[in-house]
Amino acid sequence: DAGVTQSPTHLIKTRGQQVTLRCSPKSGHDTVSWYQQALGQGPQFIFQYYEEEERQRGNFPDRFSGHQFPNYSSELNVNALLLGDSALYLCASSLALQQETQYFGPGTRLLVL
Amino acid sequence: QQQVKQSPQSLIVQKGGISIINCAYENTAFDYFPWYQQFPGKGPALLIAIRPDVSEKKEGRFTISFNKSAKQFSLHIMDSQPGDSATYFCAASHSNTGNQFYFGTGTSLTVIP
Repeated sequence: DAGVTQSPTHLIKTRGQQVTLRCSPKSGHDTVSWYQQALGQGPQFIFQYYEEEERQRGNFPDRFSGHQFPNYSSELNVNALLLGDSALYLCASSLALQQETQYFGPGTRLLVL
Repeated sequence: QQQVKQSPQSLIVQKGGISIINCAYENTAFDYFPWYQQFPGKGPALLIAIRPDVSEKKEGRFTISFNKSAKQFSLHIMDSQPGDSATYFCAASHSNTGNQFYFGTGTSLTVIP
């Protein structure tokens, strides 16, 4: 049983560019949350998707957007990249009826130059 | 505003010793308190979690102590081993906002042989 998978593992972009990160949830999970983890910090909640809709959102600008597909996989899009967007982006999946138990993927390391 | 405050930032313990990491929170609506373990290059992995209706939970060498009146909780690692060397994050969430996790800033634990 595969756990949460994310792609790509690493990514280098330049300021102003756009990036798309992908996440496949753990088998059977229907809810996906995205977090940003800056170096040396704890993860910060970006948003959560369930039934293909954004259900909760943290304190992140509209440059951060997402999508969830019918198979529960999800994408995180970041537009107009800033140097400060450099971070590890984590995806976590859970069951809607057991949301507190979240399983994290290995993350995508994004470097913005 | 940091919703969950974690200390210490780093910790060095001898093999066989007890590692103690502390967290404090302000929001009394929080109803789920997990601890995550993160190794370099990996996503956080759920270690143990507690709800505020109990004061202690033990799983193997890991124990959470919870003090609801003081709004504090701590992780105790008994008989610490070099393989426990990792970064530990406490977190808190409340079910009425989709279990968005608020993480502490992390504690880097080093267990020396």
